[in-house]
Amino acid sequence: DAKTTQPNSMESNEEEPVHLPCNHSTISGTDYIHWYRQLPSQGPEYVIHGLTSNVNNRMASLAIAEDRKSSTLILHRATLRDAAVYYCILTQSGNMLTFGGGTRLMVKP
Amino acid sequence: DTAVSQTPKYLVTQMGNDKSIKCEQNLGHDTMYWYKQDSKKFLKIMFSYNNKELIINETVPNRFSPKSPDKAHLNLHINSLELGDSAVYFCASSRWDSYNEQFFGPGTRLTVL
Repeated sequence: DAKTTQPNSMESNEEEPVHLPCNHSTISGTDYIHWYRQLPSQGPEYVIHGLTSNVNNRMASLAIAEDRKSSTLILHRATLRDAAVYYCILTQSGNMLTFGGGTRLMVKP
Repeated sequence: DTAVSQTPKYLVTQMGNDKSIKCEQNLGHDTMYWYKQDSKKFLKIMFSYNNKELIINETVPNRFSPKSPDKAHLNLHINSLELGDSAVYFCASSRWDSYNEQFFGPGTRLTVL
């Protein structure tokens, strides 16, 4: 699977939008972009995934660059419960997820 | 209702022992997985298993073996435990469509003394 690069950590204020970036310059045409998050002392949790078009769901939005070499996970209004490690993962098969270091999001009240 | 459950939540044991961790999912999924999260918090896939195919991460020692009595269960057996096996082990499940989300269990913290 192609490699992704994410900042180690980010900070946000509560109730403000958060943009979590992910670079994947070696992405192939058949790679899907998945985002998972892991809250403290819990298992990872699926957030969203996409291929080429931007995607929205109840948790977040995923904005994918036109060349697909980067993507951004958008949390529209961060809450304290959104404090977690966010993982950006590329895979040609959703069945084998390779997690990197992720971005630790800290949310300040 | 818990979608993916694991038992035990904590497991403390001596080096050299053999132990098992159980995983059950009630989502009707046909594919299950085991992941290992080490002390540095890196999550690594160990196994992917459905009724057709077992995929093993080549870095997993053969002391680790998955056993599936039925589609809803995938247990992890570990023989001759070593200090380096100490980690949190997560079970997950999904449908065998390529891009479906995986649902993770709460994890089992294994400590080998």
